[in-house]
Amino acid sequence: AQSVTQLDSQVPVFEEAPVELRCNYSSSVSVYLFWYVQYPNQGLQLLLKYLSGSTLVKGINGFEAEFNKSQTSFHLRKPSVHISDTAEYFCAVSASNNDMRFGAGTRLTVKP
Amino acid sequence: NAGVTQTPKFRVLKTGQSMTLLCAQDMNHEYMYWYRQDPGMGLRLIHYSVGEGTTAKGEVPDGYNVSRLKKQNFLLGLESAAPSQTSVYFCASSFSNEQFFGPGTRLTVL
Repeated sequence: AQSVTQLDSQVPVFEEAPVELRCNYSSSVSVYLFWYVQYPNQGLQLLLKYLSGSTLVKGINGFEAEFNKSQTSFHLRKPSVHISDTAEYFCAVSASNNDMRFGAGTRLTVKP
Repeated sequence: NAGVTQTPKFRVLKTGQSMTLLCAQDMNHEYMYWYRQDPGMGLRLIHYSVGEGTTAKGEVPDGYNVSRLKKQNFLLGLESAAPSQTSVYFCASSFSNEQFFGPGTRLTVL
């Protein structure tokens, strides 16, 4: 089965600074990759997904991620963060509809 | 469209009590899932369903049962709650490899 490792449990950053949230995965088959965001006391919302095609994926709220097959990574980036980006971010990998695996999450805190 | 809804939003149980969590989706999705979310562990799949009348075990199924009698509903049952089942439970449905999540149910077992 596939697995996901989010390399940072917490990322503090100042407002308007760039940010990168790191995600590595392992799988013996081709996978689909996702980033979800969870605001306090809410469910998960899809930020972006990679299914096929261009390795640079753009999502909502100015986020983007790059699929790197050779490094088995799918890092999430934003060039300039806002206070409102403070949330928990989850990377997920899926090889089929039946089996999506989530990372442990990265808590992004944006400070003024 | 309401998307995915969950009932109730909060619940407190005593050890040994039973309860059922209800998930409903109005997107006509075949696949539905139940996850639990615990601090530092992300989401873990409890059970899932690939269509009406079908269910299957996920990563952490022990202590839970599910039923999918209607396509739009997916029920999660706890027959005898234990403190280890204190968690936030999320339901999801999926289409074309994208999952859509409900707002969650926060369950505390004393």
